[in-house]
Amino acid sequence: GESVGLHLPTLSVQEGDNSIINCAYSNSASDYFIWYKQESGKGPQFIIDIRSNMDKRQGQRVTVLLNKTVKHLSLQIAATQPGDSAVYFCAGRHSGTYKYIFGTGTRLKVLA
Amino acid sequence: GAGVSQSPRYKVAKRGQDVALRCDPISGHVSLFWYQQALGQGPEFLTYFQNEAQLDKSGLPSDRFFAERPEGSVSTLKIQRTQQEDSAVYLCASSLGTGRSYEQYFGPGTRLTVT
Repeated sequence: GESVGLHLPTLSVQEGDNSIINCAYSNSASDYFIWYKQESGKGPQFIIDIRSNMDKRQGQRVTVLLNKTVKHLSLQIAATQPGDSAVYFCAGRHSGTYKYIFGTGTRLKVLA
Repeated sequence: GAGVSQSPRYKVAKRGQDVALRCDPISGHVSLFWYQQALGQGPEFLTYFQNEAQLDKSGLPSDRFFAERPEGSVSTLKIQRTQQEDSAVYLCASSLGTGRSYEQYFGPGTRLTVT
């Protein structure tokens, strides 16, 4: 079936540590992936994206890794801050369509 | 400028009632998406508009759901004869262009509770 799912529902990290959030996808026709951050009562907010012809992309404090062989992507957050506490979703887009498939989300808790 | 706005923010409907949810995208944005987000889940795609054209409605769960964007700006998602399983947050997103490189900007959502 078509799915983009996450390994862990909740991740707790100490402030200042690095965070790694994982996501697996099942449809090899997905050609574009996005990581979103969603805070309570708000809509998802774009963090970083990656195309399927890349295996790594870096932003400010964030890095996305894509492993097409095992259909897995991860979001790395460096020096995690309290403001990073939120639910994180990965989403994949099917090639040639406008449809995005979201995962169920990982809640990141940053401990002071 | 203003982001994507949605109204109402909260809606309580009795089972069987019809509801209309409004989305005001960012001015000039060509693409508009509707998603349904159940509690504790990721958003699920409902439908996509490019200007006034509804190019993909494959995610609409039943013929009780109807969306329109008649002038290529404001969009309305209508749910007829609401049922309890329709309870969710309905998210609207818009993007400037149609390609995958254009970021989707999400509104805050409308929380629909069907009693």
